[in-house]
Amino acid sequence: DAKTTQPPSMDCAEGRAANLPCNHSTISGNEYVYWYRQIHSQGPQYIIHGLKNNETNEMASLIITEDRKSSTLILPHATLRDTAVYYCIALGIQGAQKLVFGQGTRLTINP
Amino acid sequence: GAVVSQHPSRVICKSGTSVKIECRSLDFQATTMFWYRQFPKQSLMLMATSNEGSKATYEQGVEKDKFLINHASLTLSTLTVTSAHPEDSSFYICSANRGGGYTFGSGTRLTVV
Repeated sequence: DAKTTQPPSMDCAEGRAANLPCNHSTISGNEYVYWYRQIHSQGPQYIIHGLKNNETNEMASLIITEDRKSSTLILPHATLRDTAVYYCIALGIQGAQKLVFGQGTRLTINP
Repeated sequence: GAVVSQHPSRVICKSGTSVKIECRSLDFQATTMFWYRQFPKQSLMLMATSNEGSKATYEQGVEKDKFLINHASLTLSTLTVTSAHPEDSSFYICSANRGGGYTFGSGTRLTVV
């Protein structure tokens, strides 16, 4: 699976949009971009995933560049409960492949 | 939605004893489950892939005789930490795959004293 690179930490004001970048320059054509987050002392929570089109769900939006070498997770109106470590993972969709976590981005939402 | 239940959520054991952690898929069948370990302020580290009806596949550096994995049914995988030592104290998390998506348990905090 392709390696991903994320900034180690970010801050965002409550109520503002949080934009979390991820670089995956070696991603292959059959690898999806997955985003998970982990709130302190809990199991990771699925947020969203996409292949090449932008995606939106009730939690977030995922913007993938046309060359697929990077993406941005957008939390449109961040709340204090969005404080967590966010992980961007490139993963092929064939079968039950291993989900390997990098260091992620520690997002802190400030009041 | 897919739910994975992990039990216990917290356990304290004495050095030299064994501890079993259970991971159940509640509303779906999981032929494959994954076990992770997480130390404070670090990311999740994949330990092994648990396959229903066959032997688990361990990641490099993980002792298979120390971390026994059993996946006897399509809804249950267990991780047994044998002869636990203080350095095994960690946060253990399981995950199950369902149609390309991955659902995680809430984790087990193991403290070995």
